[in-house]
Amino acid sequence: AQRVTQPEKLLSVFKGAPVELKCNYSYSGSPELFWYVQYSRQRLQLLLRHISRESIKGFTADLNKGETSFHLKKPFAQEEDSAMYYCALSRRSNDYKLSFGAGTTVTVRA
Amino acid sequence: DAGVIQSPRHEVTEMGQEVTLRCKPISGHNSLFWYRQTMMRGLELLIYFNNNVPIDDSGMPEDRFSAKMPNASFSTLKIQPSEPRDSAVYFCASSTGVLYEQYFGPGTRLTVT
Repeated sequence: AQRVTQPEKLLSVFKGAPVELKCNYSYSGSPELFWYVQYSRQRLQLLLRHISRESIKGFTADLNKGETSFHLKKPFAQEEDSAMYYCALSRRSNDYKLSFGAGTTVTVRA
Repeated sequence: DAGVIQSPRHEVTEMGQEVTLRCKPISGHNSLFWYRQTMMRGLELLIYFNNNVPIDDSGMPEDRFSAKMPNASFSTLKIQPSEPRDSAVYFCASSTGVLYEQYFGPGTRLTVT
């Protein structure tokens, strides 16, 4: 069975400082990894996925199969980045099931 | 498209009462998911449907929980009888299943007193 671990429940950084949210997974197959974000009073929404290799709102995430990690990074945090972030894993199969980590609440201070 | 629609947005009920949460997925999406979000456990998948058929209900906590999807545009999550520990935000999400992105509804905040 697959499992997603986000070791930090809370993360506080100052505006302009780098921020890194850790995500580790366990899965014997070839996974699809995602980061979802939930801003205050908004819906949970997809931030980025590893397969797209894109940068969204300055965030990037690299899949490291050797370390089974998919850490989310941003070099200069902004106050609007304050939100709850979830790492999620989907198996490359037809069942479309997402397994979420416990989430990390990020607070960016001025 | 209004996105995934959930109702009610807030529900306050007394222990022992039946609670029914409703979800309308995005038109054309063939997968539907029910999640529960709590401070302690984060986001947990309760059950999901593919083409209206329940595929995996292993996340449903107890027999008090049941979910149905009678057609492609409607699903319900029922708790009977409800208990205070069921208090949480319940999310519904839908997906085309092709690109794996799930679109979430606004959630229903359930409080059981």
